[in-house]
Amino acid sequence: QSALTQPASVSGSPGQSITISCTGTSSDVGGYNYVSWYQQHPGKAPKLMIYDVNNRPSGVSNRFSGSKSGNTASLTISGLQAEDEADYSCSSYTSSSTPWVFGGGTKLTVL
Amino acid sequence: QITLKESGPTLVKSTQTLTLTCTFSGFSLITSEVGVGWIRQPPGKALEWLALIYWNDDKRFSPSLKSRLTISKDTFKNQVVLTMTNMDPVDTATYYCVLRQRSSSGWSNYFVYWGQGTLVTVSS
Repeated sequence: QSALTQPASVSGSPGQSITISCTGTSSDVGGYNYVSWYQQHPGKAPKLMIYDVNNRPSGVSNRFSGSKSGNTASLTISGLQAEDEADYSCSSYTSSSTPWVFGGGTKLTVL
Repeated sequence: QITLKESGPTLVKSTQTLTLTCTFSGFSLITSEVGVGWIRQPPGKALEWLALIYWNDDKRFSPSLKSRLTISKDTFKNQVVLTMTNMDPVDTATYYCVLRQRSSSGWSNYFVYWGQGTLVTVSS
């Protein structure tokens, strides 16, 4: 069981928007603005999409955005494109004995 | 351009020791305030942080695996080596090498640079 909870799957049609949630505790997601999101295509390494809750690295489309409310962080992808189909994992800094924890991943299907 | 690449055996037997090497370029573990670490991902499962070594030789380990892990660096070869003892089939995973950087706003709590990963299978 992962430290952070994500839905196993989400889906949407091209052009639509989807949101993926990531629920933790006050020791991780709720306690720090250090939530990040990674996109992972099959057989590939994770790619950073969002860091520190709502910041996009250079080169990442502005269709990707992040937010947080309490112990739950969210990744929103607007204007869905076929290339967005991938697994998405959240991560957070944590005050527990291990510095970073991850979610179990959410498979995004573009219909 | 920063790159990291993992190397090591693709298959190990239960109880054996795994040794993985991360060879990097584009930064130095001598003069840069950086850290190189390892994250693994069992097939179809979540990512798991394992260990990190900093430029000043400070080391951090996942508490659940600390007794089995060793991490070291060879600054002249631009390599970081992770060893994991007493391997078990549950340790079957893709092992990634990652870079942790420090900026003007402090240490990052995210990983921009990842290696391509290396799949290690543990047979029983």
